[in-house]
Amino acid sequence: DAKTTQPPSMDCAEGRAANLPCNHSTISGNEYVYWYRQIHSQGPQYIIHGLKNNETNEMASLIITEDRKSSTLILPHATLRDTAVYYCIVNVSGGSNYKLTFGKGTLLTVNP
Amino acid sequence: DGGITQSPKYLFRKEGQNVTLSCEQNLNHDAMYWYRQDPGQGLRLIYYSQIVNDFQKGDIAEGYSVSREKKESFPLTVTSAQKNPTAFYLCASRTGGSYGYTFGSGTRLTVV
Repeated sequence: DAKTTQPPSMDCAEGRAANLPCNHSTISGNEYVYWYRQIHSQGPQYIIHGLKNNETNEMASLIITEDRKSSTLILPHATLRDTAVYYCIVNVSGGSNYKLTFGKGTLLTVNP
Repeated sequence: DGGITQSPKYLFRKEGQNVTLSCEQNLNHDAMYWYRQDPGQGLRLIYYSQIVNDFQKGDIAEGYSVSREKKESFPLTVTSAQKNPTAFYLCASRTGGSYGYTFGSGTRLTVV
């Protein structure tokens, strides 16, 4: 599996957009970018995923660069409840050996 | 509502005792996974199962055992051979062909 690099921590003011970067320079052509988040002492929650096009859902937007070597997760209007560890993962979409590898992620702290 | 149930939320055991953590899902998902999380760390894969009566070792399977006799259930046994069993244990499931995991709320195991 390709590896990802994320900053260990970031701060964001409540109501502002939070932009979380992720580098995945060795990503393969058939690997997707997934984002999950984990609020303290809970199980991780799926946020969004994409292959090469930008994606948006009710939680966030995912911007993937044209060369697919990096991506940014955008929370458009961060709230205090968005304080969590955010994990960026790259992996193939399925198959009999599908399993995700979680790194240490980015701790996003949303400040009032 | 469908989901994954892990029980109990907190578990205390004496050193040298085996302990079994429960994971049940009513999502009709094919694949199930067990992860371990230590403070300040990412998730590490212990075991996973793609179908009933079949499972594979993850990155840190030593000292653990699993069974998958029913689609809905994937219990994890932490044996006395596990050197540092105190951790937060997370169970997840995924249906074939989908991209995202659904996680349980976790079991915090403390061995004294």
